[in-house]
Amino acid sequence: KQEVTQIPAALSVPEGENLVLNCSFTDSAIYNLQWFRQDPGKGLTSLLLIQSSQREQTSGRLNASLDKSSGRSTLYIAASQPGDSATYLCAVTSGAGSYQLTFGKGTKLSVIP
Amino acid sequence: NAGVTQTPKFQVLKTGQSMTLQCAQDMNHNSMYWYRQDPGMGLRLIYYSASEGTTDKGEVPNGYNVSRLNKREFSLRLESAAPSQTSVYFCASSADWGYYNEQFFGPGTRLTVL
Repeated sequence: KQEVTQIPAALSVPEGENLVLNCSFTDSAIYNLQWFRQDPGKGLTSLLLIQSSQREQTSGRLNASLDKSSGRSTLYIAASQPGDSATYLCAVTSGAGSYQLTFGKGTKLSVIP
Repeated sequence: NAGVTQTPKFQVLKTGQSMTLQCAQDMNHNSMYWYRQDPGMGLRLIYYSASEGTTDKGEVPNGYNVSRLNKREFSLRLESAAPSQTSVYFCASSADWGYYNEQFFGPGTRLTVL
């Protein structure tokens, strides 16, 4: 059974810092990996999706990398801002024919002004 | 273009009551999903509909039923609510069922069962 782990569970950084969020998964036979952002009391917003054949995806200040063989992904946030404060979730699509998303429990990010 | 909408936003039920959570999407997506989110558990798939006219169980289907009413709408029904079903429920959709299935989420329904 696929398991997704995100460490740390919470992270606090000063504004302007570059930071990295980590995601690991136990079964490397994934189709893709997706990073989401969740604001308190809100739904999930899709940030980036990396296909299994890709190594990274970029959107603005965000860069996500994927190392499928080692079962790891990182989300790099450049020049962090208070508005980046949220919980970040990663999820993988795996399972032959099932295509179901398995989520990590998230990293709660606080960017201090 | 509202994306994925859910009603109601909040609901309080007593044990044994029934209710239906509604979800609609306006992105012409084929696939729709229902998840629940619990503290310390992450999001877990309850049911999904790969395409109009089909539904299948996810990881935690017990106590729930679903209906894919048409291409736009996918409802989740609790026939006899239990305190263990207190959770935040999210509906999501994706263009298709398959390996490229970027999912888009609604704002959630916060359900409390007393």
